[in-house]
Amino acid sequence: DGGITQSPKYLFRKEGQNVTLSCEQNLNHDAMYWYRQDPGQGLRLIYYSQIVNDFQKGDIAEGYSVSREKKESFPLTVTSAQKNPTAFYLCASTRARTQPQHFGDGTRLSIL
Amino acid sequence: EDQVTQSPEALRLQEGESSSLNCSYTVSGLRGLFWYRQDPGKGPEFLFTLYSAGEEKEKERLKATLTKKESFLHITAPKPEDSATYLCAVDNAGGTSYGKLTFGQGTILTVHP
Repeated sequence: DGGITQSPKYLFRKEGQNVTLSCEQNLNHDAMYWYRQDPGQGLRLIYYSQIVNDFQKGDIAEGYSVSREKKESFPLTVTSAQKNPTAFYLCASTRARTQPQHFGDGTRLSIL
Repeated sequence: EDQVTQSPEALRLQEGESSSLNCSYTVSGLRGLFWYRQDPGKGPEFLFTLYSAGEEKEKERLKATLTKKESFLHITAPKPEDSATYLCAVDNAGGTSYGKLTFGQGTILTVHP
């Protein structure tokens, strides 16, 4: 079955540590997105990529970095510069702008 | 700035008690409005896309409608398995960010047997 796989499901970060969240899709979608979800708030866009080797900042990119070396993969790194990283992180992809975004099942990041 | 407001924040229904969820939006030009369902600890699951005022879409007990200022998600004779958070999102036609969606904060629906 086609879909989006996020790993790990749970992740713990120590002070000063960078951590990387994985997102892989086998839907052959060009565009991929990273969102952050906090309790009682809507999803907020961190980064997005329309095509391989290209990506743009979203609304809350500070303290995060991404890469898009392959069409199928869009990893997100939460750096030590992100002072409040505890949240639920969601990866999404879409075939075209007019089409709905499809989501993975998320990674929950917590601070040790 | 695009804004999406969902109401109520939480809704408790008895099984079989029909109701509606509201999504009010402010965008300079609507390219599309999306409804998603999200279960605890899971990613959002796509339900509907609406593109223009007057459009309606149905799926089982759910029906989504769209006006120029808001969208409604009508739930007819809900069952306990309909319990979830329902999210609304808009894509601004005038936005420069490809497919950037602005999400509402969601409505938490609980259906009691």
